Amino acid sequence: NAGVMQNPRHLVRRRGQEARLRCSPMKGHSHVYWYRQLPEEGLKFMVYLQKENIIDESGMPKERFSAEFPKEGPSILRIQQVVRGDSAAYFCASSPPSTGSNTEAFFGQGTRLTVV
Amino acid sequence: KQEVTQIPAALSVPEGENLVLNCSFTDSAIYNLQWFRQDPGKGLTSLLLIQSSQREQTSGRLNASLDKSSGRSTLYIAASQPGDSATYLCAVHGGANNLFFGTGTRLTVIP
Repeated sequence: NAGVMQNPRHLVRRRGQEARLRCSPMKGHSHVYWYRQLPEEGLKFMVYLQKENIIDESGMPKERFSAEFPKEGPSILRIQQVVRGDSAAYFCASSPPSTGSNTEAFFGQGTRLTVV
Repeated sequence: KQEVTQIPAALSVPEGENLVLNCSFTDSAIYNLQWFRQDPGKGLTSLLLIQSSQREQTSGRLNASLDKSSGRSTLYIAASQPGDSATYLCAVHGGANNLFFGTGTRLTVIP
């Protein structure tokens, strides 16, 4: 059972380009979360998705950022017109369908985005 | 809003020493608390999950405790090894749809 898979591991974009980050959850997991870790800061929640639904996007910047989790395929975090301040590590986590106090989140290796 | 604080920010100990990492949170209405390990440039590895109804969890040389009423958790590492060097993150699942993370404790175990 492969863990949470993220790709690419490293991504370099010029200012103004688009960045697409992919996340495949663990087998059997239907909940996906995206977090951002800025240099020297803690992880901050961005968005929570289930298949074909955005459940909570309260942590997403209002502009340029979007996320989806289609019926087939990985979850995608898209950043349009990237700026230097978007440089960070972006982590995806997944958890199984049931939610409760024993729900454990499993994280991927992250995508490190560098905007030059 | 839930806030999670970890003390100390950095810790350096000689190999073989037992150590305690601290985590505090402001809202005691939590589902569970997870401790993670993060190596430089790597992802997060889940170490222990403590459900809200539990007081502690153990895995090998690691023991995590939870005191919900006082908003505290500790991670105890016995007989530390150089391979334990990493950043340890505490995260609280507050019933909302996400985890609230502390900024971590960077541990260095000196051979």
